[in-house]
Amino acid sequence: QPVLTQSSSASASLGSSVRLTCTLSSGFHTYIIAWHQQQPGKAPRYLMKLENSGRYNKGSGIPDRFSGLTSGPDRYLTISNLQSEDEADYYCETWDSNTRVFGGGTRLTVL
Amino acid sequence: EVQLLESGGGLVQPGGSLRLSCAASGFTFSSYAMTWVRQAPGKGLEWVSSIGESGATTYYADSVKGRFTISRDNSKNTLYLQLNSLRAEDTALYYCTKLVESYSGHWGQGTRVTVSS
Repeated sequence: QPVLTQSSSASASLGSSVRLTCTLSSGFHTYIIAWHQQQPGKAPRYLMKLENSGRYNKGSGIPDRFSGLTSGPDRYLTISNLQSEDEADYYCETWDSNTRVFGGGTRLTVL
Repeated sequence: EVQLLESGGGLVQPGGSLRLSCAASGFTFSSYAMTWVRQAPGKGLEWVSSIGESGATTYYADSVKGRFTISRDNSKNTLYLQLNSLRAEDTALYYCTKLVESYSGHWGQGTRVTVSS
């Protein structure tokens, strides 16, 4: 089954941009993933689906500041013009026949 | 608007049982697969179980296989998770999700399960 690897933490300044990475394990580089955001004390929220082609499909109400990018096994979430409310945990998710997998999550701190 | 409302969580002793429910509204429940995902205190997300649209197909994480049972009642727009033989490591916030094109497109607010003596 696939494994998703994420850095445990990231930080960036208010108004700047940040790129978070989710890496698919060997043999699963073509898989689709989904990005989710979990603000402190809240339930996760779906952000976008990101395909191997680089095409992404965002959820309803997700700001234009959020975008996706693909390079080989890496699936990126880019957040531009960082706002204080972007400080959150970000998880990637993928699935394979009978199972689904989440990455360990990246905690984003907005400085 | 899609709404998923979990209930049924609580404090239970090791070896005990609970049944979680997830009441769905705002979409045609019977047309979507559903999942349960949990989050232990201070930890990340862990997939627990999935069920197909009709309920005929079910899948489980190895950590809960044989102890948990997922089911659904499409006439009541409700998803269930029966938790048996509970262990301390099952302590978590349990979320139900609606699968959209195989990803978790909508999340509920969660129900808390605490396993402790």
